[in-house]
Amino acid sequence: GAVVSQHPSWVICKSGTSVKIECRSLDFQATTMFWYRQFPKQSLMLMATSNEGSKATYEQGVEKDKFLINHASLTLSTLTVTSAHPEDSSFYICSAKREAYGEQYFGPGTRLTVT
Amino acid sequence: KQEVTQIPAALSVPEGENLVLNCSFTDSAIYNLQWFRQDPGKGLTSLLLIQSSQREQTSGRLNASLDKSSGRSTLYIAASQPGDSATYLCAVGAQKLVFGQGTRLTINP
Repeated sequence: GAVVSQHPSWVICKSGTSVKIECRSLDFQATTMFWYRQFPKQSLMLMATSNEGSKATYEQGVEKDKFLINHASLTLSTLTVTSAHPEDSSFYICSAKREAYGEQYFGPGTRLTVT
Repeated sequence: KQEVTQIPAALSVPEGENLVLNCSFTDSAIYNLQWFRQDPGKGLTSLLLIQSSQREQTSGRLNASLDKSSGRSTLYIAASQPGDSATYLCAVGAQKLVFGQGTRLTINP
């Protein structure tokens, strides 16, 4: 089956620092990846669509300068939370679209805690 | 704007029972509908994908149906087991998925 990994699985950082989260499709190529965030006991909220070789498309209300997305290859997208603040603490989940099948496969998530 | 609703928000049933989870959406012009499972603190596991032209999909004890005209999908779980306890999410869309709030399912031994 299609596998998507995320690294790290959890991270604690101090307010004001930047954190990079990686999302990899391990056994398929993904021209499109997606980044979501999930608050406790809530559903997933799409943050941005990551396109290989081009700029990411951000959803309304998501600060592109704060959440930097890079999709440098067909198997890797990164999300960098810049100048993190406690309110950025959340569960971040990526997904990768397997083009021929139309199905999205999700990573295991990264729990970010900003102190 | 597409809105997805899942009812009930939580469900608790004895082991062995068959059960149905409901998902409704406001815009019938969907592309795909996908059911996921999420265990606490974990990512999402894809269970079933129903394309717009399909009416149902089956995988093991799971069966998902889609009725675009009424804007509804159901996930049927047969002979439930304690290991089925999780939050079940439905999502609709092609590129961008719109998620429901989920149904938290507990199967009691």
